[in-house]
Amino acid sequence: DIQMTQSPSSLSASVGDRVTITCQASQDISNYLNWYQQKPGKAPKLLIYDASNLETGVPSRFSGSGSGTDFTFTISSLQPEDIATYYCQQYDNLPRTFGQGTKVEIK
Amino acid sequence: QVQLQESGPGLVKPSQTLSLTCTVSGGSISSGGYYWSWIRQHPGKGLEWIGYIYYSGSTYYNPSLKSRVTISVDTSKNQFSLKLSSVTAADTAVYYCARGHGELNYWGQGTLVTVSS
Repeated sequence: DIQMTQSPSSLSASVGDRVTITCQASQDISNYLNWYQQKPGKAPKLLIYDASNLETGVPSRFSGSGSGTDFTFTISSLQPEDIATYYCQQYDNLPRTFGQGTKVEIK
Repeated sequence: QVQLQESGPGLVKPSQTLSLTCTVSGGSISSGGYYWSWIRQHPGKGLEWIGYIYYSGSTYYNPSLKSRVTISVDTSKNQFSLKLSSVTAADTAVYYCARGHGELNYWGQGTLVTVSS
């Protein structure tokens, strides 16, 4: 299985801050990487697909980049409604695997 | 707008079979070339892909669960289902159904299944 390692596991930032989460794959996955947002008690929501493409309806403050084994997810200006856990997920290989998640909180 | 809804018992006894159904509305399960997946999340933990099915019936199962998992589809009811046999407390989780097998762009709300006697 491809192991996806996210960092940090949690972070605390102020409203308006730029927030960056990294995801590293245990082998080359090209750009077959998605990012999801999960709020407490809710299902995950797809934000970014193919490493850098914004899903329809998702605010432009969210972005993604990277290819190969190293990927970055960015919130350009953190908003109170962005409090959630964020997951990366690869779909280059089977089984599909997720990172362990990054919990984002407001300072 | 595609919507998915999981249904099934919230409590299953150890060694029994967990059975869940996902009902799809707002679109046909057999059109569009989509795959349909099951994912689970242990309490307070991350996400685990269980497997997926195409409307034709072709399936993929996570090797970690393959010996116990069956995913099936009923196109006449616009539903797909999950069966997980010989459950233990380690199978207690929120179970989600979703559309896709690469990116998952529609999800059900999830259903908590507790394995306990």
